[in-house]
Amino acid sequence: EAQVTQNPRYLITVTGKKLTVTCSQNMNHEYMSWYRQDPGLGLRQIYYSMNVEVTDKGDVPEGYKVSRKEKRNFPLILESPSPNQTSLYFCASSFGFNQPQHFGDGTRLSIL
Amino acid sequence: GENVEQHPSTLSVQEGDSAVIKCTYSDSASNYFPWYKQELGKGPQLIIDIRSNVGEKKDQRIAVTLNKTAKHFSLHITETQPEDSAVYFCAPRTPLVFGKGTRLSVIA
Repeated sequence: EAQVTQNPRYLITVTGKKLTVTCSQNMNHEYMSWYRQDPGLGLRQIYYSMNVEVTDKGDVPEGYKVSRKEKRNFPLILESPSPNQTSLYFCASSFGFNQPQHFGDGTRLSIL
Repeated sequence: GENVEQHPSTLSVQEGDSAVIKCTYSDSASNYFPWYKQELGKGPQLIIDIRSNVGEKKDQRIAVTLNKTAKHFSLHITETQPEDSAVYFCAPRTPLVFGKGTRLSVIA
């Protein structure tokens, strides 16, 4: 089954404790991206990757890191999480720009 | 950058009625116009899309219409059912920019 898998689905942690949210897709997509979803603000892109070893900033990259060492995986790293990063996060993949996006089911992060 | 506006932000309709959501964009170079549906606890899922060389596309009860001159496209849902209740997003600059979403409630 074609899917984008995110882990964990839920996480409560404390300020400053490094965390990683994993994302994996099995559709051989070149393009992957991370979004955060906040009430009233919709989906905002954090980082994206057009292919292995190629990443770029989206609209809200501050406080986040990503890596793309393999085509299927695109982890999101919060080196020193802060409460304003409490949000619902989505990973997505596609064959490229202007192509249908496939989303994971989301990761709800709470930073205390 | 791309300016995307989606209206209305909330919409309540009676079961069986039609619903229309409009998305306005600013980038005249946009050529792909998708709509996504997000159900509670899930990620957005593509429900219909259209490319700029087509004015309208229909899939059962769902249709998308495009007015490239006026820079807007709309989602039309006919004969609404309770399972249509969800948040709907347009994304005229996929995958970079999404609309802020429309919460549709279908009242049985």
